[in-house]
Parts: sequence; structure tokens; C-alpha cells
Amino acid sequence: AQSVTQPDIHITVSEGASLELRCNYSYGATPYLFWYVQSPGQGLQLLLKYFSGDTLVQGIKGFEAEFKRSQSSFNLRKPSVHWSDAAEYFCAVAARGAQKLVFGQGTRLTINP
Amino acid sequence: DARVTQTPRHKVTEMGQEVTMRCQPILGHNTVFWYRQTMMQGLELLAYFRNRAPLDDSGMPKDRFSAEMPDATLATLKIQPSEPRDSAVYFCASGLAPGNTGELFFGEGSRLTVL
Repeated sequence: AQSVTQPDIHITVSEGASLELRCNYSYGATPYLFWYVQSPGQGLQLLLKYFSGDTLVQGIKGFEAEFKRSQSSFNLRKPSVHWSDAAEYFCAVAARGAQKLVFGQGTRLTINP
Repeated sequence: DARVTQTPRHKVTEMGQEVTMRCQPILGHNTVFWYRQTMMQGLELLAYFRNRAPLDDSGMPKDRFSAEMPDATLATLKIQPSEPRDSAVYFCASGLAPGNTGELFFGEGSRLTVL
């Protein structure tokens, strides 16, 4: 069965600092990989996705993620965070060709001024 | 501005009452998903539809939950009777298949509190 692990429940960084959120997946073959963001009281919004090809993918709001097959990881990064990035971030996987998403437990990001 | 619309945004009800949540997917989308979000379980898939046909409802407690798509512009999730453990935020999401695989557009959710 597919599973997604986000090891960090809560991360706090200072505004302007770099950010890396971790995501590991367990799946028989390379799935489709996604990062979604949820602001308080809102639904989820897609940040970026990886299907194939270049293992470094760019997303919205200055985020990027790197797929590492050998580590079964898809970590999210941002070189310099802004106070508006405070939110909950979800890593998700889907079987190739499918739309059904399996989500990780989420990482809550707090930004210190 | 195309968006998924969910109603009600908030619902407080008493145990045993029937609850119906509604979702209007983005026009032209042919897949609809219902997710439930709780602190303990995170985001759980309850059911999803493609071209109005249910494809998977294995995540849904069958004895009290039911999901339907009466037409392409409306999806409903019903709980009868409701229980306190059903308190959660219920999200509807829509997408387009085949094509933008995995890119789902979420509504703002319906926050349910069962007393």
C-alpha cells in the first residue's frame, strides 16, 4: 500500500531563512508526487508536482522540490521564507495514471519575525 | 474565477441528526473527491467519483455515510445518524481525468461539529 511520511510535525524558521520540509514515500513503483499547502481555514492548494523527467521541479510561490529515487524522498525547499508562508504543508502521492491522492500527516510551518 | 464551492461552511448539530454537505465542482471537471480532515487521522479519502460514477468509497463508513452525484454540478455527502466522532472538516475536491492527473482543486471545506 502507498504511504507518505512527513517526519516533522511542526517546524519554526525565521523570516528570510531557508526552508526544507521532508517527505518520504513507500510505493512499489515511482508514483506521482505532489506538495499541497493549506492556509488556516482554507482548502488545499497545489504547490508543485512531479511526474517524470527533471528531478528538480519548480512550483508556485518560489518553492521547489527534488525527487530522489534512491532515498524515496521528495523534499520541499524554499531559499528564503516570507511570513505569508506560514501554513500547513502536505506531501501526497498517487499511483501513475490515477487521481486518488494519499496524503502525509502534514508539517505545520511557523515563521518567526 | 473557477473554484469548488462547498456548503455549509460550518455546521453544528446534535448526535443522531442527519447532516448533508454539498459540493459544486469546477465546471468541466469530471472527478470529485470527498476527504475528511481531523487532527488525529489527517486527510482521509472517503469517496470519489468519475463522470458521476462512484469509483471508490472504501474509506467511508457505509452504515451511516452515503455519497452521491445527482448531476455533474452537484456532489453530496450525507451522514445519518451523525455521531460526535464525525466531527471534522470535510473537503470536496475536483479534477480532470485523464489529463491533469493528481492536480485537485479543493473547496474551503465544511466544518462539522456533532454534539
